[in-house]
Amino acid sequence: QVQLVESGGGLVKPGGSLRLSCTASGFTFSDYYMSWIRQAPGKGLEWVSYSSSGGGTISYADSVKGRFTISRDNAKNSLYLQMNSLRAEDTAVYYCARDRYSTSYHYFDYWGQGTLVTVSS
Amino acid sequence: EIVLTQSPGTLSLSPGERATLSCRASQSVSSSYLAWYQQKPGQAPRLLIYAASSRATGIPDRFSGSGSGTDFTLTISRLEPEDFAVYYCQQFGSSLYTFGQGTKLEIK
Repeated sequence: QVQLVESGGGLVKPGGSLRLSCTASGFTFSDYYMSWIRQAPGKGLEWVSYSSSGGGTISYADSVKGRFTISRDNAKNSLYLQMNSLRAEDTAVYYCARDRYSTSYHYFDYWGQGTLVTVSS
Repeated sequence: EIVLTQSPGTLSLSPGERATLSCRASQSVSSSYLAWYQQKPGQAPRLLIYAASSRATGIPDRFSGSGSGTDFTLTISRLEPEDFAVYYCQQFGSSLYTFGQGTKLEIK
C-alpha cells in the first residue's frame, strides 16, 4: 500500500534553516509528481511546492519562493524540502503528498501524516 | 492566482440530513482541475472527489461533486456520524495549486 512518511521537523529560530524529508513506498516513486503542502495551527491548507517525476519541473507558492527548495532522489524514493530564512509564519505541519499531475487532472491522492515545523525564538 | 471561497464557513446538521457545500472561484476553473478533501482532527486530508465529480477510490456514493466554471458543490446525501469534519476544495491553474479556506461540518 502507498505510504508517505515525513521527517525532519522541529523547533528552529527565525532566520534559521531546516530540511524536511519524505520517504515513499508502495508505488513507483519515479513515475509521480510530488508536492509539499502545509497547514498552520488551526488554519487551512496551503500548497507549498511541487516537483515533476524527474525533478526538472518545479513550482513554488509565492510565499516561499526564493527561500525554500524542493528536490528529490528517485533512487532513494525520497522527496526533500530545504527551508531557509524561516519566519514565524512558516510554522505549520508540513505534508508530503503524491501529486496526480497530468493534462487531464490535478489532485493529491495520498498524503503523509505530516511533520511539525515551529519557528520561534 | 485563483482564489477559492468556500461557504458556509460552518454548517450545523444532524445525521441523516443532506449537506451542500459550496466552492466559488475568483475566475473560471477547469472542471478537470477541481478536487475536494475531507480532514478530521489530527489527521491528514483525504481525497474525496477529483475532476469535480469523480469519486476517489473507496469513497462512499453518498458523496458527490458537481459544478463548472466558477461554482462547484460537494453534496453528502445522508450524513453519517463519521462525515462530520472539515472539507476543502482545491484547484490548479497557472502552475499553482490553491485551496479554499474550508467548511466545518458540525453535528447539530
